Amino acid sequence: AQKVTQAQTEISVVEKEDVTLDCVYETRDTTYYLFWYKQPPSGELVFLIRRNSFDEQNEISGRYSWNFQKSTSSFNFTITASQVVDSAVYFCALSERETSGSRLTFGEGTQLTVNP
Amino acid sequence: DAGVIQSPRHEVTEMGQEVTLRCKPISGHDYLFWYRQTMMRGLELLIYFNNNVPIDDSGMPEDRFSAKMPNASFSTLKIQPSEPRDSAVYFCASSFRRYEQYFGPGTRLTVT
Repeated sequence: AQKVTQAQTEISVVEKEDVTLDCVYETRDTTYYLFWYKQPPSGELVFLIRRNSFDEQNEISGRYSWNFQKSTSSFNFTITASQVVDSAVYFCALSERETSGSRLTFGEGTQLTVNP
Repeated sequence: DAGVIQSPRHEVTEMGQEVTLRCKPISGHDYLFWYRQTMMRGLELLIYFNNNVPIDDSGMPEDRFSAKMPNASFSTLKIQPSEPRDSAVYFCASSFRRYEQYFGPGTRLTVT
């Protein structure tokens, strides 16, 4: 069965520090998608990135970067030079193409607090 | 482009009352999902539709919950009768094919 584990429940950093959010997944499928979502204090869920299982290239978008490693079943998210506005709950999610259709399985989320 | 629209944003009702949550997906999206978020259980998928047809409703907690999608631009999630343990934030999301899901702002339901 598919599973997503975000072992870090809460992380607190000081502004301008770099921070990495860990995500480890389990799946039986060879084709799957991984996602990160952000949920700021206002409550909405904001899509950040999608990766498919055949593309292990790391991605950078501004201060955000993602490291996908199939060998360790991990899809970690790094924020460089964190800012107070990055404070949110971040969710990693998995979608298996074959066995679970379009279901998204979410991790439990990591609460990131960036202090000024 | 308008995102996913949900109404109402907040709903407070008494136990036993019927509650109807509404969702308008992003135009052109062919998948629609209903989720529930609570502190205890996190984000749970309740049901999803593909081209207006329910595909998987295994997450619907019990018969008191029902969902419909009469057309491509509208879906409802109904709880009848409501109970205090139904209090949660209910999210609707839509996607094109099996790609990323875009979430609405959520409906915060409180059942007293």
